[in-house]
Amino acid sequence: EAQVTQNPRYLITVTGKKLTVTCSQNMNHEYMSWYRQDPGLGLRQIYYSMNVEVTDKGDVPEGYKVSRKEKRNFPLILESPSPNQTSLYFCASSFKGASQPQHFGDGTRLSIL
Amino acid sequence: DAKTTQPNSMESNEEEPVHLPCNHSTISGTDYIHWYRQLPSQGPEYVIHGLTSNVNNRMASLAIAEDRKSSTLILHRATLRDAAVYYCILRGMIYNQGGKLIFGQGTELSVKP
Repeated sequence: EAQVTQNPRYLITVTGKKLTVTCSQNMNHEYMSWYRQDPGLGLRQIYYSMNVEVTDKGDVPEGYKVSRKEKRNFPLILESPSPNQTSLYFCASSFKGASQPQHFGDGTRLSIL
Repeated sequence: DAKTTQPNSMESNEEEPVHLPCNHSTISGTDYIHWYRQLPSQGPEYVIHGLTSNVNNRMASLAIAEDRKSSTLILHRATLRDAAVYYCILRGMIYNQGGKLIFGQGTELSVKP
């Protein structure tokens, strides 16, 4: 089944403790992206990747890192999480090109205390 | 950057048509108009997209104004399962081959039995 898989689905952690949220897709998509969703703000793009070893900032990249060493994986790294990064995170993937629909994961709810 | 504007909320009765508007007055000639919806506790789901012509699929229809400065998502017969937040998104070739997405605030659609 074609899907985007995020792990973990839920995480409660403390300020400053490095964490990684994994994202994997099985559709051979070139494009992958991370979003965060906060009440009243909709979805905002954090980082995206057009292909392996190619990443670029979205609208809210501060405090986050990404890497794209393999086509199927696009982990989101919070080196020193802070409470303002408490949010619902979504990973998405698609084929390259403006007409391509994106497939979203089920979300990861992070709480940073 | 091109932005979209949508009403915050709309109401519909079950089995009646619903017209969800989106304004995108600064759209560029290469921007595709995508619509996604997000059901409670789920990731966004692709609905439909178009460039210049009206589009139909099994989920909905997309009507695009001749000047492309606005579009309307049409649900022909709303069901209770269509209650969701609907996002109008521009995906442009000028933004690194579709990498950067501009989200609207979304319209929360409620459907009354």
